[in-house]
Amino acid sequence: DVKVTQSSRYLVKRTGEKVFLECVQDMDHENMFWYRQDPGLGLRLIYFSYDVKMKEKGDIPEGYSVSREKKERFSLILESASTNQTSMYLCASSPRTEAMNTEAFFGQGTRLTVV
Amino acid sequence: AQSVTQLGSHVSVSEGALVLLRCNYSSSVPPYLFWYVQYPNQGLQLLLKYTTGATLVKGINGFEAEFKKSETSFHLTKPSAHMSDAAEYFCAVSGEGGYNKLIFGAGTRLAVHP
Repeated sequence: DVKVTQSSRYLVKRTGEKVFLECVQDMDHENMFWYRQDPGLGLRLIYFSYDVKMKEKGDIPEGYSVSREKKERFSLILESASTNQTSMYLCASSPRTEAMNTEAFFGQGTRLTVV
Repeated sequence: AQSVTQLGSHVSVSEGALVLLRCNYSSSVPPYLFWYVQYPNQGLQLLLKYTTGATLVKGINGFEAEFKKSETSFHLTKPSAHMSDAAEYFCAVSGEGGYNKLIFGAGTRLAVHP
């Protein structure tokens, strides 16, 4: 089974802190994604990566950055956490296919609270 | 750009009743369509997907969905609801812009009562 592991299930951070959310996948997938989930808004794409050291902005990248130094690991960074970044964060991965028709596999999520 | 609209943020059914969760999409290219389920405090699990071929797609846990191009719809159904079906359901579309990016709807929370 594909496994996508997020390092923390719950995090509480203070406003202004630099926050790292880590994600590791074990299926050698090329694509990795970070989504943010908020009630009534569904999942919104923050950033994605299609290869090591490659990244692309999603729909809501402001206030976030990412790092992908190794194929299996994709990190989401909140440079200076703010209360409006309190949310559930979901990491996902998928293989690269020419048809672009494969599903994404999700981690368990990290519920981040910024106080 | 692709988009997904899920009609009804909350749906409530009786155990044993038909489940119908609605999803409409917008896409400038032939879409790939997915339904995911999320149980409390968990990640998303794939229920089923439509890529090409047969328009009626069967998934896990007795769910199925039908792709109707003329109606730009991909509604999810289950003939008989079970208490364990209570969860949040997300419809998603991909195929535009590359990289297997999934665009999600806002979700529908399904409640099943005895």
